[in-house]
Amino acid sequence: GAGVSQSPRYKVAKRGQDVALRCDPISGHVSLFWYQQALGQGPEFLTYFQNEAQLDKSGLPSDRFFAERPEGSVSTLKIQRTQQEDSAVYLCASSPTLGRVSTEAFFGQGTRLTVV
Amino acid sequence: DAKTTQPNSMESNEEEPVHLPCNHSTISGTDYIHWYRQLPSQGPEYVIHGLTSNVNNRMASLAIAEDRKSSTLILHRATLRDAAVYYCILRSYNNNDMRFGAGTRLTVKP
Repeated sequence: GAGVSQSPRYKVAKRGQDVALRCDPISGHVSLFWYQQALGQGPEFLTYFQNEAQLDKSGLPSDRFFAERPEGSVSTLKIQRTQQEDSAVYLCASSPTLGRVSTEAFFGQGTRLTVV
Repeated sequence: DAKTTQPNSMESNEEEPVHLPCNHSTISGTDYIHWYRQLPSQGPEYVIHGLTSNVNNRMASLAIAEDRKSSTLILHRATLRDAAVYYCILRSYNNNDMRFGAGTRLTVKP
C-alpha cells in the first residue's frame, strides 16, 4: 500500500503478557516515529529512528518498552509484561529526510492495545 | 524542547472562517512550524507547515508572526468534516524531534 501500515489494528492482552506491534513505513522513508496516545490526550513521543539507528528513545516509559528497526524499514515496538496503564493507541509515523528541508510525516491508523 | 501553547477548544459555525492560534515563544531559528489534525479514530494527518513566510495550500493557510513567536492556522470555510483536534508542532530541520501538545479541539456547528 501507499501509506503507513500498522498491525494488528486491535490487540487485547492479559496483564503480564508480552506484545509486539508492527509498523510498515512508506517505502524509502528514512525517519520513523512511535507515539503512545491515551484516551483524550495528544500523542506522546516514544522513540525515533533514522534508518536502523535509534537516535532518541527518551520517551519510552520504562525498560519494558523496546523498539527496533533492524533493516531500516519495518519497525516493531515490543512491550514486555504488559500493565493496565499500557492500554492506549500506539501510533507509528514515517517521514523522508531531505537534509535541511522539513517535511511532513505520515501516520498509520494505530494499534489499539487493551490490557485486561 | 521547544513548546507550543494552544487553546483547549474552539467552536465555529459551518462555512465560516476559523482562526486557530498557537504560541511558540521559545522557537529557534531552525524550527519549522507544523500543523497536524486528528479526526476521531484516525492517526494525525498533515495540514501545513512553514518557516517564516505565510503559506497556503488546498487545506488551509498558515499565518506566521514576524517575530515567529506565534502563528495562526486559518480554515477559510469550515465544514463538518473539519471537526478534529488540531496540533501545532515545532519541528527542527533535521527531523528528529516531533512532539505533540494537547492541541485544540475544534467543533463545527451546522
